[in-house]
Amino acid sequence: QKEVEQNSGPLSVPEGAIASLNCTYSDRVSQSFFWYRQYSGKSPELIMSIYSNGDKEDGRFTAQLNKASQYVSLLIRDSQPSDSATYLCAVNYAGNNRKLIWGLGTSLAVNP
Amino acid sequence: DAGVIQSPRHEVTEMGQEVTLRCKPISGHNSLFWYRQTMMRGLELLIYFNNNVPIDDSGMPEDRFSAKMPNASFSTLKIQPSEPRDSAVYFCASSPLSVGLRYGYTFGSGTRLTVV
Repeated sequence: QKEVEQNSGPLSVPEGAIASLNCTYSDRVSQSFFWYRQYSGKSPELIMSIYSNGDKEDGRFTAQLNKASQYVSLLIRDSQPSDSATYLCAVNYAGNNRKLIWGLGTSLAVNP
Repeated sequence: DAGVIQSPRHEVTEMGQEVTLRCKPISGHNSLFWYRQTMMRGLELLIYFNNNVPIDDSGMPEDRFSAKMPNASFSTLKIQPSEPRDSAVYFCASSPLSVGLRYGYTFGSGTRLTVV
């Protein structure tokens, strides 16, 4: 059974700090990795995707992928109260066509 | 673009009744996904379609659930008969086949189903 694991949190950081969110996955044969943000009562929205080992930066967000250790992380720099949400990690496994396997999410609270 | 449109937004029904959820994907998106989200199990893929054809329905919990996509702009998820354990938020999502998953899915606003 392929699994994606995240710490449920809540992760609490002060405004302006770096928030670090982590995700591990069980299957080495994986191709692509995604971070979605979900505000309470809303639908998930894609914020980052990453396919290769290393870092990928987009504005205040950096995704980090380490396939050897089977983890992917999301760093949020200069955290804002508006970043308070649940962050979902999703993985697409080779051979799974367009299917994503999802973690349960990490709740982030950014305190003013 | 109006995005992925789901209806109804909220549905409260009695156990044993039939429930039909509806979805209109983004125009030009030829992959459509039905998800269920609960606190305990998170997001679960129920079924997905490519070009109106069901590709993977392994997540459909049991025969009480059925999904159709009669054309590129409309899909339904039906539960008959409904049970209290079906209470959840049901999301529809779509994406274009041509770009793979690079841009992820676009989710609809969801239908919050409560079965009493």
